Amino acid sequence: QSALTQPASVSGSPGQSITISCTGTSRDVGAYNHVSWYQQHTGKAPKVIIYDVSYRPSGVSDRFSGSKSGNTASLTISGLQAEDEADYYCKSYTTTYTYVFGTGTKVTVL
Amino acid sequence: QVHLLQSGAEVKKPGASVKVSCKASGYPFSRYHIHWVRQAPGQGLEWMGIKLSSGGDTIYAQNFQGRVTMTRDTSTNTYYMEVNSLTSEDTAVYYCAREGVESYFLDYWGQGTLVTVSS
Repeated sequence: QSALTQPASVSGSPGQSITISCTGTSRDVGAYNHVSWYQQHTGKAPKVIIYDVSYRPSGVSDRFSGSKSGNTASLTISGLQAEDEADYYCKSYTTTYTYVFGTGTKVTVL
Repeated sequence: QVHLLQSGAEVKKPGASVKVSCKASGYPFSRYHIHWVRQAPGQGLEWMGIKLSSGGDTIYAQNFQGRVTMTRDTSTNTYYMEVNSLTSEDTAVYYCAREGVESYFLDYWGQGTLVTVSS
């Protein structure tokens, strides 16, 4: 199972919106709506920010939103803030009952 | 309060084995699976496998099949992940994480355990 493809880095100025893509195949992202996104600050454990493509867990800012089209899922961060600077990973359930993470995207707030 | 408390850092020689523990508390264990995820230094997250809540079945990622064993001790609510035949490429932080049954996402994570493989 190959890792899902994400851009290595994305940057934006405070207040701007950015979008991170997560491209898989018909055997993972395209097969189910079980795509989740995780935020990881340096030296910390990951934290879920989106599940089932577009749902936010309680306590997660509504500046984070998710969507999916075909084999590609996307995470949008609106109103970018300094605290959003972190690594972001998508994860998908697959047709072989396993999971696969994305390659990860480093978000930089300029 | 949910806690996943992992064992401390380990240093192992190539060819050895390592067993990492993850003690769970504060929630009904029958309703949650436990995943294991690792992260090599400066690298991304890699899914290793899942210990299912019902029946205790385990599903491994293809890359780890045959070299990794995930077990649990129901008497102490502790999960274990053992990696055999270690190489330097196994140097990583290993995480356990919880998934609600049929939720398909990881809502709580352990603090991570650094395993260093060096001669």
